[in-house]
Amino acid sequence: AQSVTQPDIHITVSEGASLELRCNYSYGATPYLFWYVQSPGQGLQLLLKYFSGDTLVQGIKGFEAEFKRSQSSFNLRKPSVHWSDAAEYFCAVTTSGTYKYIFGTGTRLKVLA
Amino acid sequence: DVKVTQSSRYLVKRTGEKVFLECVQDMDHENMFWYRQDPGLGLRLIYFSYDVKMKEKGDIPEGYSVSREKKERFSLILESASTNQTSMYLCATSLPTGSTYEQYFGPGTRLTVT
Repeated sequence: AQSVTQPDIHITVSEGASLELRCNYSYGATPYLFWYVQSPGQGLQLLLKYFSGDTLVQGIKGFEAEFKRSQSSFNLRKPSVHWSDAAEYFCAVTTSGTYKYIFGTGTRLKVLA
Repeated sequence: DVKVTQSSRYLVKRTGEKVFLECVQDMDHENMFWYRQDPGLGLRLIYFSYDVKMKEKGDIPEGYSVSREKKERFSLILESASTNQTSMYLCATSLPTGSTYEQYFGPGTRLTVT
């Protein structure tokens, strides 16, 4: 079955520390992968996306993600977290020819001052 | 920038009421979506529309209907609201399938049914 797993429900990091949010997917076709961020009370904003090519993709707000086909993973990273990064992060997958996305259940990030 | 607006940020309705949630986009996108977001469940697709008057059921359409009379507007209708429909509702848009695939989201409507 197609699925997206975000194994960490909550993550807490100190401001200035590095961050890695995990995302694993199970998908029969070539995946198109996304990371979205949702600030409290807001809709989702696209951070970055991977369709093909270079497996390390850069996004907004200093985020990057690496696609590893062998591990079926698309982990999100940031070298130095800012207090404003506190939010919920969603990984999502789709593929060519379909409108349907599969979203993970989200990881809520807390940043300590 | 794509702008997706939703008619209400917060809504409180009584059980049995008919509820309308409106979504309007200003970027001429063909595809529009309604999702429901619940803690621990992520986003679940309720309905999808790829053109005016065209719709497809998503994963959880029961208890909901939709209307798309104009390209820019996509309405979600709860025919008879129930307490288990208390949730955050998110509208999204995208270009046609086969294009960029990314979705653009509205700010959400938090609906409480009492």
